[in-house]
Amino acid sequence: GQQLNQSPQSMFIQEGEDVSMNCTSSSIFNTWLWYKQDPGEGPVLLIALYKAGELTSNGRLTAQFGITRKDSFLNISASIPSDVGIYFCAGPSGGSNYKLTFGKGTLLTVNP
Amino acid sequence: NAGVTQTPKFQVLKTGQSMTLQCAQDMNHEYMSWYRQDPGMGLRLIHYSVGAGITDQGEVPNGYNVSRSTTEDFPLRLLSAAPSQTSVYFCASSYNYEAFFGQGTRLTVV
Repeated sequence: GQQLNQSPQSMFIQEGEDVSMNCTSSSIFNTWLWYKQDPGEGPVLLIALYKAGELTSNGRLTAQFGITRKDSFLNISASIPSDVGIYFCAGPSGGSNYKLTFGKGTLLTVNP
Repeated sequence: NAGVTQTPKFQVLKTGQSMTLQCAQDMNHEYMSWYRQDPGMGLRLIHYSVGAGITDQGEVPNGYNVSRSTTEDFPLRLLSAAPSQTSVYFCASSYNYEAFFGQGTRLTVV
């Protein structure tokens, strides 16, 4: 099946720093999704990308759909302690809009 | 707005016991799914349903059964629990590409 490779696996940063993480695949995805999971909670959708080259923002978060359709990037500017959590990329797989394949996640720790 | 409700939040089972993880959604979504989350493994799809009466297997279906008799409910059954099924289980309901997740059930099999 399709696999998504996220990097880095974990990040430890100081409050106020900018953060970049990415997700790559050997297969083409037509949609890229970025989710965040707070400790003890289920994942929540942050940003959805539907078109190659698309750049979308949600507050301090910006995500890009790579031109090759095999990668996506998520940037967080001016990090704050509540940014702590696991960030997952995901995309529909198996020919279905609803069956999502998830990356293994990037664990972000923010030091106040 | 309740969204997706999972019960129980925590459960300890002995090897060989059976149990049902409950999932209910109030958003009238046709698509629902079950994932398991293990450390360093991300979320892996167990089973999914595209509507009442229709279910199918995901990536890791062995040892689990599902049924969908109503739009609202999508229970996950463990037939004979094994230590390898120790995990956090998430139910989700979806509209287009957006999946809405429950808070999870943390299951330990001893």
